[in-house]
Amino acid sequence: EVQLLESGGGLVQPGGSLRLSCSASGFTFNNYAMSWVRQAPGKGLEWVSAVSGIGTATYYADSVKGRFTISRDNSKNTLFLQMNGLRAEDTAIYYCAKVLTSVTRTQPGKYCFDSWGQGTLVTFSS
Amino acid sequence: EIVLTQSPGTLSLSPGERATLSCRASQSINSNNLAWYQHKPGQTPRLLIYVASSRATGIPERFTGSGSGTDFSLTISRLEPEDFAVYYCQQYGNLPLTFGGGTKVEIK
Repeated sequence: EVQLLESGGGLVQPGGSLRLSCSASGFTFNNYAMSWVRQAPGKGLEWVSAVSGIGTATYYADSVKGRFTISRDNSKNTLFLQMNGLRAEDTAIYYCAKVLTSVTRTQPGKYCFDSWGQGTLVTFSS
Repeated sequence: EIVLTQSPGTLSLSPGERATLSCRASQSINSNNLAWYQHKPGQTPRLLIYVASSRATGIPERFTGSGSGTDFSLTISRLEPEDFAVYYCQQYGNLPLTFGGGTKVEIK
């Protein structure tokens, strides 16, 4: 059974930094691209970033480009999102998501998601 | 960026009724790379449909995806109590990946 467990969320001040982690199990981690998707309070889903199976290709939404960095450690089955220069509009639940098909069956960047973690909340203090 | 517009925003129906949800794209989606998700409060999103019409593993046959190009739809043939939720479409034919704003299916 696929399990994704996010951690690292919390209260942060504008301009601050956080590093989110997603621990994966139940599948061959390096065979799948991975992604972060967020949901602001009362809003819909917003794709944030994705990374290829071996971590060499990364993709970002314009809203986070230059501030967030996605990475992965395949030896530890863990996905990361380093978030710098945080803004109030980054307040959201951040979900880790696994791409549906393995790297050999997926064109780069063409990702939909079949497994999601429970999410970790990033909020701002005034 | 491909903008996805979902309609209606809210659908009020009774169990047993048919639900038809629409997702319209601002430009044609490559290879019909369009997915549908179900999202309930406090739960994780659940993949229902991918490449516009293929059901994901374990998804009941009452969920049907259709469409191509810029116009797509999700049909739930007979609503079960557990189907009341928010539904999102997502295109993955082009970066950046984008989601629609969602359709809430609520009990009438």
